[in-house]
This record gives sequence, C-alpha cells and structure tokens, in this order.
Amino acid sequence: KAGVTQTPRYLIKTRGQQVTLSCSPISGHRSVSWYQQTPGQGLQFLFEYFSETQRNKGNFPGRFSGRQFSNSRSEMNVSTLELGDSALYLCASSLGAMSRSPLHFGNGTRLTVT
Amino acid sequence: SQQGEEDPQALSIQEGENATMNCSYKTSINNLQWYRQNSGRGLVHLILIRSNEREKHSGRLRVTLDTSKKSSSLLITASRAADTASYFCATDTVAGNKLTFGGGTRVLVKP
Repeated sequence: KAGVTQTPRYLIKTRGQQVTLSCSPISGHRSVSWYQQTPGQGLQFLFEYFSETQRNKGNFPGRFSGRQFSNSRSEMNVSTLELGDSALYLCASSLGAMSRSPLHFGNGTRLTVT
Repeated sequence: SQQGEEDPQALSIQEGENATMNCSYKTSINNLQWYRQNSGRGLVHLILIRSNEREKHSGRLRVTLDTSKKSSSLLITASRAADTASYFCATDTVAGNKLTFGGGTRVLVKP
C-alpha cells in the first residue's frame, strides 16, 4: 500500500500570501489530521477530518482552514501568511478516529514564509 | 504546559547500550502512543498502549504504563546507530478526543 503523500515537499511564500497544502491518505483510511511542527512549539494539532466532516480543531486562528474530499484526500489552507507560520506541516491518516488508532504520517510540507 | 512531557530532552549512548525515556502526562487517558521521527521526516508509529495495559513489547522496544503515576516509559534495547531519532509520546485524553504530542526526546546512538 502506498503511504501518506503530501505535496508539495517544500514551499516558499511571502508574508500576506496564502498557501494550500495537499494530503493523500493511505487507501481505505477515512481520518486525516494535520499538525504543525516548529522547534519552539513542537507538534501542535490543527484539525481532524473524518468522512468529509471536521471532527476536531486545535487552537489556531481562523486563517488556518481545511477540508476533506469524498475520496478522503485533504487540503489545508493558510491565508494571510505570517512569518510565524514557517513550519513543517504534517498530515496523518488513520483507519478510525485519530486518537484511537495509530497515525500514519506523511513526510510533511516545509513552509518558509519570508 | 503540554499534556505529555518527555524526559530527558536529549540522550546520547553508545551502540549496543539500552536507551530509556519517560513520558509524564496530566489527565486521564484512553491510550498512549509512542512515535519516532528521523530528521526532517514524518513520524512513524511504534507502539500503542491502552490505559488498562501495563506493558507492551515490539521487537527491541518495551513500553510500560503506570496510570497511577501518570507516566510511561520507552526502552530500546541493544541500540543501533539507526535508532538515532527523536521519540515522542502522544496521549489520547478521556476528555480531548484528539492526540496530543509531547516535546520529544532526541536520541543519539554513537557507533
């Protein structure tokens, strides 16, 4: 089975721009969750989608949004980028609810905001 | 502070030695998971231990859980250079319905 695929792998954007990151889960996995990883804050939960519905959301501003499509693929959007948004964004998929099942992570999208 | 906190923050050992890291958490959990992350890559799931379990093994990995002390430990036996990575615990709290990660332990295994 193919693993979790995240695109693009690297991204450089300017403050004020917006960005869309993509995640293709493992076939058959219905839950997709997103995390932001920075040296200072560690791994911070963004949100989880299950069968196209947002099940849970972390403490991030409304500039961070996401969605899930009927084929379970997910996208994450960040609008009005700030320097502090520079991070590794990780997507993970799981068979069941994210907290009850092992998560399978992609290799992430490294976003740099200048 | 975070729900799960690992100790120590960093660990340096020789190949062949055992590595032990601990995770403490604050609130009641349904399960606790351990993950490994190699530099700049995604996390890899190692072990999931449920709140009613006390110990689990997987190859050279041994995880214990003490719910009375709200702590877990991960032991890597006979370490190899390839075990060099960051290790994270993650907790599924009874109230939270999400997986919360600790800050991680950076392990360096010297050949």
